[in-house]
Amino acid sequence: RKEVEQDPGPFNVPEGATVAFNCTYSNSASQSFFWYRQDCRKEPKLLMSVYSSGNEDGRFTAQLNRASQYISLLIRDSKLSDSATYLCVVGGGADGLTFGKGTHLIIQP
Amino acid sequence: EAQVTQNPRYLITVTGKKLTVTCSQNMNHEYMSWYRQDPGLGLRQIYYSMNVEVTDKGDVPEGYKVSRKEKRNFPLILESPSPNQTSLYFCASSFMRGSSPLHFGNGTRLTVT
Repeated sequence: RKEVEQDPGPFNVPEGATVAFNCTYSNSASQSFFWYRQDCRKEPKLLMSVYSSGNEDGRFTAQLNRASQYISLLIRDSKLSDSATYLCVVGGGADGLTFGKGTHLIIQP
Repeated sequence: EAQVTQNPRYLITVTGKKLTVTCSQNMNHEYMSWYRQDPGLGLRQIYYSMNVEVTDKGDVPEGYKVSRKEKRNFPLILESPSPNQTSLYFCASSFMRGSSPLHFGNGTRLTVT
């Protein structure tokens, strides 16, 4: 069974801090990697795709480590509005996308 | 605006009364899928469709039906709802299964009493 594992948290982080969390995946043949953000009782929304070379979008940086089979998300200068659940998503072509259960992040003033 | 539209947003029904949740996308996506989300269990796939007239079971298909008569529409049908189907449901679509990011509808909160 293909699995995607995340620490559920919650992680309480002061505003302005840098926070990072990882996600491990079991299928070594996985080719597609994404981070989604989900606010309470709302739909998941794509935050960023994760590329082999790593990528950055403003305060957010995503990295992929194929050897150890994990992806990471780093948030710099965290804002109150960053409070959400962050879902790790891994795809293996014909196998579809597998979602982690999410990491709950709370940014505190 | 590119979007996935689900209706209704909230639905309260009684056991055994057939219901349909509609889903429509305007992005010309080949792939569509239904998920349910329950506390502690994450998103679980119910059914998916690779193209018109092609549907397949996901991880939790029991008690559900789907159809894909048109590319843009992918309704979810509960022939005889039961209380264990009380959940938050999401429809999603993408260009290709497994490699393209999914676009989600804004969800349907179903309560079966």
